[in-house]
Amino acid sequence: EPEVTQTPSHQVTQMGQEVILRCVPISNHLYFYWYRQILGQKVEFLVSFYNNEISEKSEIFDDQFSVERPDGSNFTLKIRSTKLEDSAMYFCASSGGDGEKLFFGSGTQLSVL
Amino acid sequence: GESVGLHLPTLSVQEGDNSIINCAYSNSASDYFIWYKQESGKGPQFIIDIRSNMDKRQGQRVTVLLNKTVKHLSLQIAATQPGDSAVYFCAENMAGGFKTIFGAGTRLFVKA
Repeated sequence: EPEVTQTPSHQVTQMGQEVILRCVPISNHLYFYWYRQILGQKVEFLVSFYNNEISEKSEIFDDQFSVERPDGSNFTLKIRSTKLEDSAMYFCASSGGDGEKLFFGSGTQLSVL
Repeated sequence: GESVGLHLPTLSVQEGDNSIINCAYSNSASDYFIWYKQESGKGPQFIIDIRSNMDKRQGQRVTVLLNKTVKHLSLQIAATQPGDSAVYFCAENMAGGFKTIFGAGTRLFVKA
């Protein structure tokens, strides 16, 4: 069964450093998403991406965040200058269409020290 | 505003019993609702969905009920098994909204 893959599974970084989280969505999907989940809390929407541009973003997704689809298979989330409060599990998801179920990766656990 | 919430943060059931997990949503413009299951250390996994033109949908051992009048969603799990132990999230999507919003989650414990 096709799946969304994310790398790395764990990322430790120093405050102020840049991180790039990587995702390979399901190959025939057209809609891509990033979510984050702070331990024990709900899954929070960050951004959606379609047709090579951001479709919607949340208040969390400020100027420190960016997304990119550098080629036909990868989808990345960059945090320019990490803060302690960016520590969370980051999930990538993809779907075949708007208003369809999301398929999630296993996540990248980001720890900012 | 748009928000999805849950009535109970935890639910404990005996193996073999039926489980009912409830959810309230506030965005009347939402037209697609989904239940996800999240096991420890994993991403959310799709269980079942329902569109606003339906009020009930059944899957294998799971049923989702939608009451648009009171903006309520529920997930029923028949003959709950230990493998059903997880956190369950309801989520909503508004057509053309390009985002799915998750509720707070209910942790289901299944006692053997």
